[in-house]
Amino acid sequence: AQSVTQLGSHVSVSEGALVLLRCNYSSSVPPYLFWYVQYPNQGLQLLLKYTTGATLVKGINGFEAEFKKSETSFHLTKPSAHMSDAAEYFCAVSPPGGFKTIFGAGTRLFVKA
Amino acid sequence: ETGVTQTPRHLVMGMTNKKSLKCEQHLGHNAMYWYKQSAKKPLELMFVYSLEERVENNSVPSRFSPECPNSSHLFLHLHTLQPEDSALYLCASSQERGGLWGTEAFFGQGTRLTVV
Repeated sequence: AQSVTQLGSHVSVSEGALVLLRCNYSSSVPPYLFWYVQYPNQGLQLLLKYTTGATLVKGINGFEAEFKKSETSFHLTKPSAHMSDAAEYFCAVSPPGGFKTIFGAGTRLFVKA
Repeated sequence: ETGVTQTPRHLVMGMTNKKSLKCEQHLGHNAMYWYKQSAKKPLELMFVYSLEERVENNSVPSRFSPECPNSSHLFLHLHTLQPEDSALYLCASSQERGGLWGTEAFFGQGTRLTVV
């Protein structure tokens, strides 16, 4: 069975500071991994995804994530936070060939001026 | 129209009412999904349709009834709901190729449902 754990339901950073949102997964096969962002009163928008190949994945809005198989992690980072990054972020895992994407509980990012 | 469109954006209904949520995707995808997002709970997959056939039903109560008349449209028919059904209902679509699932989903903006 697959599962996703996002460490920290809330993360607060100052504008210009590093953003680090943590995601760990469990999967019996190498999974596909995703990060989505949700702004208030909106649906989820894909930030980036890992399927195969290069383990460092770059996404939109300056975000990137690194797939670390040995640590079963897929943490999301951004070097410098902007006020507009304040939102909820979801990590998700999906088995290749399986249609059921499992979402983490989400991490709400607050950005202080 | 582009992407995934959901209507209405907000819905308030009584427990004895019957209403429907509508989702339309303009991406040419062949799979569509209904998710329920409640406060402080992970996103819950309710139904999955592939090529207009239901392939997953996660033990959802029968007061929720999905309908997928074609690959572009998805409905969620609601009747005799309970207050705990109040949530954001999200529709999504994806393109599954030759049985290879696991591609990214594109989400609509959701319908905020309040049951009174």
